[in-house]
Amino acid sequence: QQPVQSPQAVILREGEDAVINCSSSKALYSVHWYRQKHGEAPVFLMILLKGGEQKGHEKISASFNEKKQQSSLYLTASQLSYSGTYFCGTATYGGATNKLIFGTGTLLAVQP
Amino acid sequence: DVKVTQSSRYLVKRTGEKVFLECVQDMDHENMFWYRQDPGLGLRLIYFSYDVKMKEKGDIPEGYSVSREKKERFSLILESASTNQTSMYLCASSPTDRENKFFGSGTQLSVL
Repeated sequence: QQPVQSPQAVILREGEDAVINCSSSKALYSVHWYRQKHGEAPVFLMILLKGGEQKGHEKISASFNEKKQQSSLYLTASQLSYSGTYFCGTATYGGATNKLIFGTGTLLAVQP
Repeated sequence: DVKVTQSSRYLVKRTGEKVFLECVQDMDHENMFWYRQDPGLGLRLIYFSYDVKMKEKGDIPEGYSVSREKKERFSLILESASTNQTSMYLCASSPTDRENKFFGSGTQLSVL
């Protein structure tokens, strides 16, 4: 079952904040976040494992709520370089951890 | 830096042709993956391999096969290409099943 990402698209001005959500109908073992710029390969951002942890670096962080089976990606004080499509990939209990199921993506556009 | 190289950036083939997409990684990773990316559908797993000569079906294996004769190389084969296989194909590798994936730049395949 593909995780549901919301919103599908968001437009920001530089310096504004954004939250991207990723929800699953199945119990999650881990959540991976990737960013893909137009015409480029997806690039890894972070992995969150079960335990409700929050991870991040600089102004991009994420949380994982195991009970709610969802993860949120937080982008604070956005920069032009944050523009791209963000994908969450989920691994579920009982499934092969290799078999990440990716969401359909959230398009983020940061304008000057 | 890890490098995942896909042999072609753009490929145009005729319906019914046999198509080979090649992927090479230079970091001795155990795991390799093939995804296809379509607008609005995100990244969908076709096949993955966790060792030489080992393979497992992903979510959409129909119409595809794979080959992994050497650790660094993972090939995707379309036995008889069809127009509904027109898509962006992304190869990825990872050291273990719990670590991040490194993606290639993709091959945009058009089947006419």
